[in-house]
Amino acid sequence: GESVGLHLPTLSVQEGDNSIINCAYSNSASDYFIWYKQESGKGPQFIIDIRSNMDKRQGQRVTVLLNKTVKHLSLQIAATQPGDSAVYFCAEKYAGNMLTFGGGTRLMVKP
Amino acid sequence: GAVVSQHPSRVICKSGTSVKIECRSLDFQATTMFWYRQFPKKSLMLMATSNEGSKATYEQGVEKDKFLINHASLTLSTLTVTSAHPEDSSFYICSASMFRGATNEKLFFGSGTQLSVL
Repeated sequence: GESVGLHLPTLSVQEGDNSIINCAYSNSASDYFIWYKQESGKGPQFIIDIRSNMDKRQGQRVTVLLNKTVKHLSLQIAATQPGDSAVYFCAEKYAGNMLTFGGGTRLMVKP
Repeated sequence: GAVVSQHPSRVICKSGTSVKIECRSLDFQATTMFWYRQFPKKSLMLMATSNEGSKATYEQGVEKDKFLINHASLTLSTLTVTSAHPEDSSFYICSASMFRGATNEKLFFGSGTQLSVL
C-alpha cells in the first residue's frame, strides 16, 4: 500500500548547526503534510504543515520544503538546540483520508 | 493552543484485567477524537476514530470488543483495554479535533499512556 517513509532513522548534529530531516512519500495524490516532534514519553507536537499548492513554508526556526516532482518532504531546523532533540515524524494525507505517519527520525543534538 | 489531557500517563496491570485510559480536551470541544497505538521506535498507528455521541470507527485489524471506546461528551473520550494481555503493552496516544468527521488534520495530541501488562 501507500507509505510514508524517512531516509535516515537517526540524525546527529552539533548544537548551533542546521538540521535537515528528510521524508519520502509514495502517494502522489497527497495534498497535505505535517511535521510532528515527539519527545520521549510524550505525545506528538505539531511543528509545521504545508499544502501541496506550496513548495516552501517557514516558521520560527523551521522551514518545510515540498518537492512534488520527486515526492520528497524535508524539515529544516536552523541553529539546532539541545531542546530540539526528539523524534520527528512526517505525516501525509490525501482527499478525505486519514493522516498517515512516517516511521520517524531521531534527532540528537550534541553540545 | 488547545490542550488535550490524557490520564494516566503510565499504568501497570495484571494479565486479564481491564484498563481505562481517559482523554480530555481542556479548553475546546472535541467533536472527534482519535486513538493511536505506538510501539517502541515505531510510528503512530491509528486504532479508531470516535465522534461524540456515536459509535467509534475502528481501523482494520483492531478488535472493537477488546478496545472499547466511549465518547459520551464533547470533552471526554475513553479507551478501555479489556482483558489485557502482555501483547497489549504499548504506548497509547489520543488526539482531538474540533471538527466533526475530521480526517485528523490540525490535531492536538495527549501526552500518551504507557501500558505495561504483566
